Amino acid sequence: QSALTQPPSASGSPGQSVTISCTGTSSDIGGYDFVSWYQQYPGKAPKLIIYEVNKRPSGVPDRFSGSKSGNTASLTVSGLQAEDEADYHCCSYAGNYVVFGGGTKVTVL
Amino acid sequence: EVQLIESGGGLVQPGGSLRLSCAASGFTFSIYWMHWVRQAPGKGLEWVSRINSDGTNINYADSVKGRFTVSRDNARNTLYLQLNSLRVEDTAVYYCARGTPAGARRYWGQGTLVTVSP
Repeated sequence: QSALTQPPSASGSPGQSVTISCTGTSSDIGGYDFVSWYQQYPGKAPKLIIYEVNKRPSGVPDRFSGSKSGNTASLTVSGLQAEDEADYHCCSYAGNYVVFGGGTKVTVL
Repeated sequence: EVQLIESGGGLVQPGGSLRLSCAASGFTFSIYWMHWVRQAPGKGLEWVSRINSDGTNINYADSVKGRFTVSRDNARNTLYLQLNSLRVEDTAVYYCARGTPAGARRYWGQGTLVTVSP
């Protein structure tokens, strides 16, 4: 049950795009189309923004998009806004367990 | 309105026990998988456990297996997490969340803080 690998930080200027990677193995990300992404502000509970690799819950802006290739999933935030500055966590189903990444802090410059 | 409200956190010494509760309302609790997820101070999220709708299918993270026990009372719309043999590294905010077998989804509680310290 090893954690998924995310970069600790990412940044971009307003209006730009930022892409966060999330690398796992064939036992988790590569084996199932059940990758989700959560946005979290300090002191708050996580908020689901992507599920099943690329689906957005209602109310989540289409600036947020997800994808997967092999054992790596990615979250892209297009048209960065100040309110996008937060921590982002990836998560994958892995059969008998679920596994998160270490989280990525996104800074809007 | 869907609500998940955790309780039961607090300060406990290493080796001690706590029982966390998660009171659910605003939805049909008895048909959903439920998850516990924790977050140590300044760290990322860590999945802890999941339980299916009737409590017959349960899984744990290796880090808590044999020490933590998840259960649910569908008549009381409540999810539980029994924490035994607590270690300093179990210090975290513990969240309950509604979900599917694949993970937590839209609805999360506000979290309850467990602090394990001598």
